[in-house]
Amino acid sequence: AQKITQTQPGMFVQEKEAVTLDCTYDTSDPSYGLFWYKQPSSGEMIFLIYQGSYDQQNATEGRYSLNFQKARKSANLVISASQLGDSAMYFCAMREFTQGGSEKLVFGKGTKLTVNP
Amino acid sequence: EPEVTQTPSHQVTQMGQEVILRCVPISNHLYFYWYRQILGQKVEFLVSFYNNEISEKSEIFDDQFSVERPDGSNFTLKIRSTKLEDSAMYFCASSKIRGTLHEQYFGPGTRLTVT
Repeated sequence: AQKITQTQPGMFVQEKEAVTLDCTYDTSDPSYGLFWYKQPSSGEMIFLIYQGSYDQQNATEGRYSLNFQKARKSANLVISASQLGDSAMYFCAMREFTQGGSEKLVFGKGTKLTVNP
Repeated sequence: EPEVTQTPSHQVTQMGQEVILRCVPISNHLYFYWYRQILGQKVEFLVSFYNNEISEKSEIFDDQFSVERPDGSNFTLKIRSTKLEDSAMYFCASSKIRGTLHEQYFGPGTRLTVT
């Protein structure tokens, strides 16, 4: 079963407008972490924002905020005041703790965001 | 700001050849990871490494793969006999502490092309 679901393969937004990228997750662990990464066309993975399952407030980092709805198991990324440089793939990921005592990130399929001038 | 580095940025190899992908994690990090991203697909976990041994590996990480930390700074992924389906972007990542808000820092990736 998919653990991270990103239902929007592609999104378009006008420059300076806000956009929400959807992410739902599935876990039975009470302790987990959710991440968003940006992947521009050059290929690198850039960390954007993190939300812990026990965090009382929604995470914010500059123009990025995370709309965390625990009961609905959703962790949507909101980008305010979109810029042309925001055009990229965006991946939602969940931290899973493994039986070996380590951890791994489980990624969604990504959403390709295009910011139009 | 410290960063994870990876070399080479692009590697082209023939099917059946061995390749070694190199990574230098952030110096005070303790946990190391390799992920793979086939073109146009999602990023997949391959292996995690801590205290000089594999902590966890995925079903993708079969006998043709191995990892090593040959010295205090490098972390390598070896593919013994490459196949066409090994063509992908390979990301190294490192983290300071497990299970906290400390994120995994990703390197820029090595694009492996198997012909």
